[in-house]
Amino acid sequence: EAGVAQSPRYKIIEKRQSVAFWCNPISGHATLYWYQQILGQGPKLLIQFQNNGVVDDSQLPKDRFSAERLKGVDSTLKIQPAKLEDSAVYLCASSLGLQGVEGYTFGSGTRLTVV
Amino acid sequence: GNSVTQMEGPVTLSEEAFLTINCTYTATGYPSLFWYVQYPGEGLQLLLKATKADDKGSNKGFEATYRKETTSFHLEKGSVQVSDSAVYFCALSDFTGANSKLTFGKGITLSVRP
Repeated sequence: EAGVAQSPRYKIIEKRQSVAFWCNPISGHATLYWYQQILGQGPKLLIQFQNNGVVDDSQLPKDRFSAERLKGVDSTLKIQPAKLEDSAVYLCASSLGLQGVEGYTFGSGTRLTVV
Repeated sequence: GNSVTQMEGPVTLSEEAFLTINCTYTATGYPSLFWYVQYPGEGLQLLLKATKADDKGSNKGFEATYRKETTSFHLEKGSVQVSDSAVYFCALSDFTGANSKLTFGKGITLSVRP
């Protein structure tokens, strides 16, 4: 089966610019997650979707980050305006069920550098 | 809140050496526990998991046992190979209602030399 697809793989922008990341989960996976992985740290959840509804966005900096999952399939994560501390790898993951006991499948991530 | 603590790294071993990577956790409920691996230039991959106390997860020669009494999930392998060089993350998922997020440790880099 195809994995979780993410694009772009790399992005370099200047601070105060905007950027968007795209994720296509595994077909049939109802739950989709966006994680932020800062260098030297473990991934941290930004937002969790169940179909096209938000389950948890408590760690999402809503003044600059936004995410949507139209039609319960693809998702986009946007940062506007970007700050230097947003430099990180942004990981998308999906799971079949709501509770993810069977494990999550991660995409390869988008590496963002803000200069 | 939930948290995962991993031993400090990096770890460098010779091929065929024994590996232990320590992981302890704090959770309010009864979490499932996971080890994820990230090979250079690749995404996170599930290595193994355990969903209840005393369960042993195993894969590719790696093993970890869910120890509720010590709140630990240490990763072990009897004989490491150069191809095991990667970053290893311990994680937990505590299913509170609809929330099934993973809480990760900081990760540890393993380098295996020939």
